[in-house]
Amino acid sequence: NAGVTQTPKFRVLKTGQSMTLLCAQDMNHEYMYWYRQDPGMGLRLIHYSVGEGTTAKGEVPDGYNVSRLKKQNFLLGLESAAPSQTSVYFCASSYGLLNEQFFGPGTRLTVL
Amino acid sequence: EDQVTQSPEALRLQEGESSSLNCSYTVSGLRGLFWYRQDPGKGPEFLFTLYSAGEEKEKERLKATLTKKESFLHITAPKPEDSATYLCAVHNQAGTALIFGKGTTLSVSS
Repeated sequence: NAGVTQTPKFRVLKTGQSMTLLCAQDMNHEYMYWYRQDPGMGLRLIHYSVGEGTTAKGEVPDGYNVSRLKKQNFLLGLESAAPSQTSVYFCASSYGLLNEQFFGPGTRLTVL
Repeated sequence: EDQVTQSPEALRLQEGESSSLNCSYTVSGLRGLFWYRQDPGKGPEFLFTLYSAGEEKEKERLKATLTKKESFLHITAPKPEDSATYLCAVHNQAGTALIFGKGTTLSVSS
């Protein structure tokens, strides 16, 4: 039982490049989330999904897009990366909206 | 505005020196308060959920308590392996998102 996994673990992009971060969970959770964590800011919600085929905006959605084509996967896309998107990105999942969330190991992204 | 404030930002303890971490929150209609542990370079690890004032939960050397305005994470006789950043979070009023505090970084030296 791997829990929540994230790919890749590290990535360096140049300004304007695009990339997709992949999150997978094997707990059959309905809810999945993408957060970013910055020094002094804490964890902030980017987008979330309440089930396959659904997505919704969180606190800081600008510059990001998401897709949930399969229940176990949640993708986070950056269409045109900016230095302000340099951060550590965490994916999480939960059984219900008010249940505890289980986090992945994170992706450290640097945009030059 | 929904808000979570943790104090202190950093705490240094000697092994065996008990202490408490504070999480104060302002949210209408608490739907749950969560404590997480985060080790450097890793994702947050779930510790406890508290739902109502007066509730307490324990796990090894950790005990979490909840009042109507704040939660405490008590650490009894800490060991160096308890060193980590401890995060507190509550659901927003709509229940659609967790609001995290900035965390307390605990260092326990032997």
